[in-house]
Formats: sequence, structure tokens, C-alpha cells
Amino acid sequence: NAGVTQTPKFQVLKTGQSMTLQCAQDMNHEYMSWYRQDPGMGLRLIHYSVGAGITDQGEVPNGYNVSRSTTEDFPLRLLSAAPSQTSVYFCASSSLRQLNTEAFFGQGTRLTVV
Amino acid sequence: RKEVEQDPGPFNVPEGATVAFNCTYSNSASQSFFWYRQDCRKEPKLLMSVYSSGNEDGRFTAQLNRASQYISLLIRDSKLSDSATYLCAVNRVGGYNKLIFGAGTRLAVHP
Repeated sequence: NAGVTQTPKFQVLKTGQSMTLQCAQDMNHEYMSWYRQDPGMGLRLIHYSVGAGITDQGEVPNGYNVSRSTTEDFPLRLLSAAPSQTSVYFCASSSLRQLNTEAFFGQGTRLTVV
Repeated sequence: RKEVEQDPGPFNVPEGATVAFNCTYSNSASQSFFWYRQDCRKEPKLLMSVYSSGNEDGRFTAQLNRASQYISLLIRDSKLSDSATYLCAVNRVGGYNKLIFGAGTRLAVHP
């Protein structure tokens, strides 16, 4: 019962470094998304994908890139890390076959940019 | 104005109390509504979907008021284990399951 798996769980980056947060799901979900969560701000949508080869921007896409080459994987790339990107990042997936379907979240990645 | 708004709390209640949270949304065409529970430093997990007719799951009752554009969550007979942050989520019309979340309401249940 893997569900949604995110790696790494923790990461410290220096300003200007790049890195990729990994997200994989084994539920054959079409829809995958990335959120960041900051104190008092709730979950804010960064990017999402409705299927392999299709991605789109969410509310706060600047500084992040995504790609979806397979149904299972949806990596999030930080191009040049900034302290403002210090946050907790969650990946989520859900099925598009019904409207009111549950979104399943990964355990999160705690990122600190110094 | 935020698309989905919640009172951040915290709501501090004794065990056995009844507590209610509201969540307002700005897009009148929103179609799907949910309550998620998030424990400290954990990922959100679905608590319940919110249907037009209202729905109940044990001690939890969710209601939708489309006219006033809010959803509510009622927790009866609060338990210590109910202490968590409760996030409401609303889908953005035309966005499949592109959920927009409120900032969450923190609940602390004390003995």
C-alpha cells in the first residue's frame, strides 16, 4: 500500500542551488499536483497535471518546473533555490474518473533554503 | 479576498464538547467540497466529502450552504484524538480535482 511516495523527507539547500523533489504514485491516478504549505497560508497549488505529457500552472508556479513523462511520476524542480521557497511541499494524486474523489497526499518534503 | 477562508482558531474545547467550524468560498460555481484533517507535521487526509444534502459520519456532520457560500463541520462529543488542524477544500470549476484549500482551523481538545 505505497500510495503517494515523496522523497526526500528533509532537505537543506543553499541559495541558488537547484534540486528535484520526487513524487510517485501507484494508484494509476491521472491527476497529480504539488502544493506548498506555509504557516498561516494553508496549501497553495504550485503545478498540476491531468495526465502524462500534460502539465499546467497553479497559484504559485514561479521558480518551479514540472514534467510528467509517466502516469506514476511527477517531479518538482527548483531551478535556483531562494529563501522564500523554504516550505513544506506536498504531492497529491487523485482519480479523474469521478468528480468527488479523494486526493491522496505524500508525507511531505520539508525544505529549508539558507 | 482569498478564494477559500477559514477562521484559523485555535479552538480550545474540553472533551465532550460540540464544536463547529465554518469555511467560506468565493466562487459560486464551485462544485465539490471537502474537509481534510491534518495532524501536526503530517500530510492532510480526507475526513469527509460535503454533499448538498449534508452528510454525517459518526460524530462528524458536514453541511453545505450554497446560498451563503459556506461549508461547515460539526464535531460532537469531542475526543482528545480530534485535536488537529481541519482544512476545507473546494474544487475550482473547470479544474477537475484542482483543489483550493483554506488555511485551516486548529482544534485543541483538552481533558
